[in-house]
Amino acid sequence: ILNVEQSPQSLHVQEGDSTNFTCSFPSSNFYALHWYRWETAKSPEALFVMTLNGDEKKKGRISATLNTKEGYSYLYIKGSQPEDSATYLCALSAGNNRKLIWGLGTSLAVNP
Amino acid sequence: NAGVTQTPKFRILKIGQSMTLQCTQDMNHNYMYWYRQDPGMGLKLIYYSVGAGITDKGEVPNGYNVSRSTTEDFPLRLELAAPSQTSVYFCASSKQEYNEQFFGPGTRLTVL
Repeated sequence: ILNVEQSPQSLHVQEGDSTNFTCSFPSSNFYALHWYRWETAKSPEALFVMTLNGDEKKKGRISATLNTKEGYSYLYIKGSQPEDSATYLCALSAGNNRKLIWGLGTSLAVNP
Repeated sequence: NAGVTQTPKFRILKIGQSMTLQCTQDMNHNYMYWYRQDPGMGLKLIYYSVGAGITDKGEVPNGYNVSRSTTEDFPLRLELAAPSQTSVYFCASSKQEYNEQFFGPGTRLTVL
């Protein structure tokens, strides 16, 4: 059974702080790793889809790295803003059955 | 593009009643998904479809049925509602199975 774990479960930071979270997954039969942002009362929105070991992607102040050999991905937010407050989900696509397996998310609260 | 739309936004059902949650996408995506999201739990896949006329079970299909007669529409049917089906339901679509998924706004269902 594939299991995707995210840490920490929740995080409180001050505006302007930089922060990062971790997504861990089994490294065998890896296909793709997705990151989504889910704001309260809205729907998940895709941030990145990463497929290659060593991949780094960036969107504004948010970036992500991928290590498929050791089975982890980091999401970084530089200079957090209150509007970054959301739950950040990662999801794994692996094996012949490539449907996404979702982590429980990291809930980020940025205090002004 | 409207993206992925879902109706209704909210619904209260009595035990044993039936209903259909509607989902439509206008992005010509092949893949469509139904998820449920319960507090403290990750997104769980109920059913998915890889194209018109093709559907398959996800992790938690019991108590639900789907159909995919067109590329655009992917309705989810609850035949005999049970309290365990109280949840928030999200429909999503993607161009290919490993691409980012686009989510609808969700349907909050309560079964009393």
